[in-house]
Amino acid sequence: DQQVKQNSPSLSVQEGRISILNCDYTNSMFDYFLWYKKYPAEGPTFLISISSIKDKNEDGRFTVFLNKSAKHLSLHIVPSQPGDSAVYFCAASARQTSGSRLTFGEGTQLTVNP
Amino acid sequence: ETGVTQSPTHLIKTRGQQVTLRCSSQSGHNTVSWYQQALGQGPQFIFQYYREEENGRGNFPPRFSGLQFPNYSSELNVNALELDDSALYLCASSLDLGTGILYFGEGSWLTVV
Repeated sequence: DQQVKQNSPSLSVQEGRISILNCDYTNSMFDYFLWYKKYPAEGPTFLISISSIKDKNEDGRFTVFLNKSAKHLSLHIVPSQPGDSAVYFCAASARQTSGSRLTFGEGTQLTVNP
Repeated sequence: ETGVTQSPTHLIKTRGQQVTLRCSSQSGHNTVSWYQQALGQGPQFIFQYYREEENGRGNFPPRFSGLQFPNYSSELNVNALELDDSALYLCASSLDLGTGILYFGEGSWLTVV
């Protein structure tokens, strides 16, 4: 039972353009959502998060949008840079019942071409 | 501020053997979680320790066990290794249970042959 799904295994964009990474979830108990970035041979690095009481959170070039009715969230990177090339994981937690236990999607490999 | 550190970074074990992986949590963090990441998949929750007690466990068999020490460092032990245990094992720390943001180490690559 895959509760968090990232349906695009890979995404390729040109430098300077927008990157949009998508994530869907099924568990309505999830109330906190996070995006992590992972470079090869490194652990996942926290990027940005959003609580279920919000529908948008912005941090510099990164914006996360949450659509609770559709159980969908997306990460927008504008403008994309070659250094953004990495695997991006969407993760969710049900903080009321499971604390900080995270359920991850399968990841999307983003490649930003110069 | 010291980040999460894990050891060893790589190791090879034979099926049926036992392995211990170690983790030092980020300074000031009292909660440690372990995740298994198989090739091509996202990390999967194994268990979490808070103040030396197990606080939540994922869908892993009892041969996966752990410890958290008074200094909040942690060990993951896996007995009777199977080929499918080959994966990247990630340790993550956080402050208390409910913040949601985990800080990960670089992981320990385990290959079972």
